[in-house]
Amino acid sequence: QVQLQQSGPGLVKPSQTLSLTCAISGDSVSRNSVAWNWIRQSPSRGLEWLGRTYYRSKWYNDYALSVKGRITIDPDTSKNLFSLHLNSVTPEDTALYYCARDPRTRGDHFDYWGQGTLVTVSS
Amino acid sequence: QSVLTQPPSVSGAPGQRVTISCTGSSSNIGAGYDVHWYQHLPGTAPKLLIYGNTNRPSGVPDRFSGSKSGTSASLAITGLQAEDEADYYCQSYDSSLSTVVFGGGTKLTVL
Repeated sequence: QVQLQQSGPGLVKPSQTLSLTCAISGDSVSRNSVAWNWIRQSPSRGLEWLGRTYYRSKWYNDYALSVKGRITIDPDTSKNLFSLHLNSVTPEDTALYYCARDPRTRGDHFDYWGQGTLVTVSS
Repeated sequence: QSVLTQPPSVSGAPGQRVTISCTGSSSNIGAGYDVHWYQHLPGTAPKLLIYGNTNRPSGVPDRFSGSKSGTSASLAITGLQAEDEADYYCQSYDSSLSTVVFGGGTKLTVL
């Protein structure tokens, strides 16, 4: 059974970097046939896909245009986890953040999710 | 404004059948991209209900079914139960935006 365990601070100051990690059990971050994603949810923007990392003989990343330039998603194979870094945050980045696995079968979708981390951007 | 349009709310009595619609466009559902559905209870992680338009993951009751036609998709729930009260989201891919897209969500109330 795949489990995703999120960790990271719930409060970030404006202009700083939001960093969250997602620890994977029951699967491998470097497995060739899946992708590892970050998704957020807020009242104003609903559910919003942020980006993903995946391994296909080398590492790849895809990012949503709405956050491109501010976002990095990094795998850590030694700890079997992946991380989200979102810099220059504003109150608009306040949201419930989820990590999720995409099995990459029958279109991009998300079969396992982390428990969610509420991140508030405020001074 | 979500790319995929869902009704804000639907309701039904226990035992009844309800459907939730998800309307897209020629750059997402109409372009042939698969539609997926999630059930979300506040305070918990979203749960995958339907993937690839019509497929149920292991453990999802067959009371839940999905369909797709043209630029729209639907989630049907039969034999409504109190535990089905939750928010439901559709999801697909949009080629114009080059991103995964979600519907705005539908709150199901079991009367």
